[in-house]
Amino acid sequence: DAGVIQSPRHEVTEMGQEVTLRCKPISGHNSLFWYRQTMMRGLELLIYFNNNVPIDDSGMPEDRFSAKMPNASFSTLKIQPSEPRDSAVYFCASHEAGGLGETQYFGPGTRLLVL
Amino acid sequence: EDQVTQSPEALRLQEGESSSLNCSYTVSGLRGLFWYRQDPGKGPEFLFTLYSAGEEKEKERLKATLTKKESFLHITAPKPEDSATYLCAVLLPGSNYQLIWGAGTKLIIKP
Repeated sequence: DAGVIQSPRHEVTEMGQEVTLRCKPISGHNSLFWYRQTMMRGLELLIYFNNNVPIDDSGMPEDRFSAKMPNASFSTLKIQPSEPRDSAVYFCASHEAGGLGETQYFGPGTRLLVL
Repeated sequence: EDQVTQSPEALRLQEGESSSLNCSYTVSGLRGLFWYRQDPGKGPEFLFTLYSAGEEKEKERLKATLTKKESFLHITAPKPEDSATYLCAVLLPGSNYQLIWGAGTKLIIKP
């Protein structure tokens, strides 16, 4: 199994530009998470999808952030417009059906730098 | 307030020098405590889940234990490849998916 796949691995952009991060979860997993990791705040849950439906988006910082999951094998996290404070590593994780939080499998992350 | 605190922030050991990492938590009605390992430039990798006080789990040189207030990750005779950041997390009360994460302990094993 290829594991959770994320792209791009690195992204450098200028303030005000649109950024789209992509994630392919593990086949058969029915839940998907987007996290953000920074030195100051650690790992933060941004949004949680179950069966392609957004269940909890309370962690999404503001309206500049949006996420979609059009099908079971693909999700995007979009930031528009981007700001320097959005610089962080963004992780996607997927989750086996019927399990608790321990079965979250993380992707390699996208390191975002907004100048 | 529900929170998870890990100590120490960083730990340097010589190869073969055993030690323990601590994860203390303040949540009511613990439903699961999780240990992950994170290597630089990679996502967290799941290690263990503990559900109740007294439970222990082992994997190679690692053993995780749980009490009513804290968990320990014991590392026996570590090797340089055990160097990583170890993260602890607990399930938020009332949730079956949201984790409260600790800040992690950065472990460095010197050859």
